[in-house]
Amino acid sequence: EAEVAQSPRYKITEKSQAVAFWCDPISGHATLYWYRQILGQGPELLVQFQDESVVDDSQLPKDRFSAERLKGVDSTLKIQPAELGDSAMYLCASSSSGTNFYEQYFGPGTRLTVT
Amino acid sequence: GENVEQHPSTLSVQEGDSAVIKCTYSDSASNYFPWYKQELGKRPQLIIDIRSNVGEKKDQRIAVTLNKTAKHFSLHITETQPEDSAVYFCAASMEGNAGKSTFGDGTTLTVKP
Repeated sequence: EAEVAQSPRYKITEKSQAVAFWCDPISGHATLYWYRQILGQGPELLVQFQDESVVDDSQLPKDRFSAERLKGVDSTLKIQPAELGDSAMYLCASSSSGTNFYEQYFGPGTRLTVT
Repeated sequence: GENVEQHPSTLSVQEGDSAVIKCTYSDSASNYFPWYKQELGKRPQLIIDIRSNVGEKKDQRIAVTLNKTAKHFSLHITETQPEDSAVYFCAASMEGNAGKSTFGDGTTLTVKP
């Protein structure tokens, strides 16, 4: 069964450093999401792509976060500079553009610790 | 924007008992309500969902009910088993948002053998 892939699985960085996370959605899924999940809370949407276009980045802290999906397939989320409050799980999810486009499939996440 | 509240935050039941988790949402335009199960250190996985044109949906031991008028929906797990222990999240999506979901803060379910 196809799955969403993410790397790295764990990342420890010092504050003010740059970090990047990678996501490879399920093949054929046009919609890709990046979520941040703080311990004890539900996932919060950071950015949503439809193919290579951003359709929602209203919750993305644009002064330090950036996301791209250049060819409409895999995606990179970057934080520069990282802050202590960025410590969280970063989840990527994808969904198809067909009749089941609501159903999101999550990757295993990247656990970020900022020291 | 949409706001989803989920209760309780923790729930402990004996094996074989039923568990009920409740969520409320704020935006009447929401029309899709998935439930996810997240085991420790693992990815959220969709376990059941319901659309606004349906009042109830069942899949083996799991059922979801939706009351559009009151803007709340519930997850029911019957005959609970220790492997049901996990964090459960509800979410609400609005039509036209291509799947964007607002999540509740989760319920930690513990099933004691």
